[in-house]
Amino acid sequence: AQRVTQPEKLLSVFKGAPVELKCNYSYSGSPELFWYVQYSRQRLQLLLRHISRESIKGFTADLNKGETSFHLKKPFAQEEDSAMYYCALSGASDTGRRALTFGSGTRLQVQP
Amino acid sequence: EPEVTQTPSHQVTQMGQEVILRCVPISNHLYFYWYRQILGQKVEFLVSFYNNEISEKSEIFDDQFSVERPDGSNFTLKIRSTKLEDSAMYFCASSPEYQETQYFGPGTRLLVL
Repeated sequence: AQRVTQPEKLLSVFKGAPVELKCNYSYSGSPELFWYVQYSRQRLQLLLRHISRESIKGFTADLNKGETSFHLKKPFAQEEDSAMYYCALSGASDTGRRALTFGSGTRLQVQP
Repeated sequence: EPEVTQTPSHQVTQMGQEVILRCVPISNHLYFYWYRQILGQKVEFLVSFYNNEISEKSEIFDDQFSVERPDGSNFTLKIRSTKLEDSAMYFCASSPEYQETQYFGPGTRLLVL
């Protein structure tokens, strides 16, 4: 069974500090990994996906297949980064399985 | 920028009643999804829909649930006989192609009394 684990419910950092939001997964095959973000009173929106290998709003995430992890990192947190962050996975595009499996989410609080 | 819309934003119903949740996906998108999030729990996949057929569904999506695309714009989720445990936030999503990003609506909060 596929599973996404986000061990931290809440991560609180000061502005300018580095941030790492942890995500581990289990999946029999080659999944696609995503980070979605939900700002206060807004909808879920894609932050980044591993296949695009791009940095969005200063965030990066590297897929580590050996450790089955997809941790989200940002070197210098900003107050506007405060939000709920969800790690999610789906089957690779050739599997026909596109349903997203979400982690339980981590709330990031960036204090001034 | 086009967005997925959902109506109503909130719905309160009595146990045993039928509810229909409505979604308008982004206009050129071909794949549609429903997810739900029970308060305090994970976002869970319910069903995906393409070309007027269900393409994937989860164990949650049992006979009391159905989906329909009644016209060229709406995508609906029907719960035939609501239960208390159906209380949740229901999210609609759409994507232009099967392997592309899923864009989420704002959700409908359903409360079953």
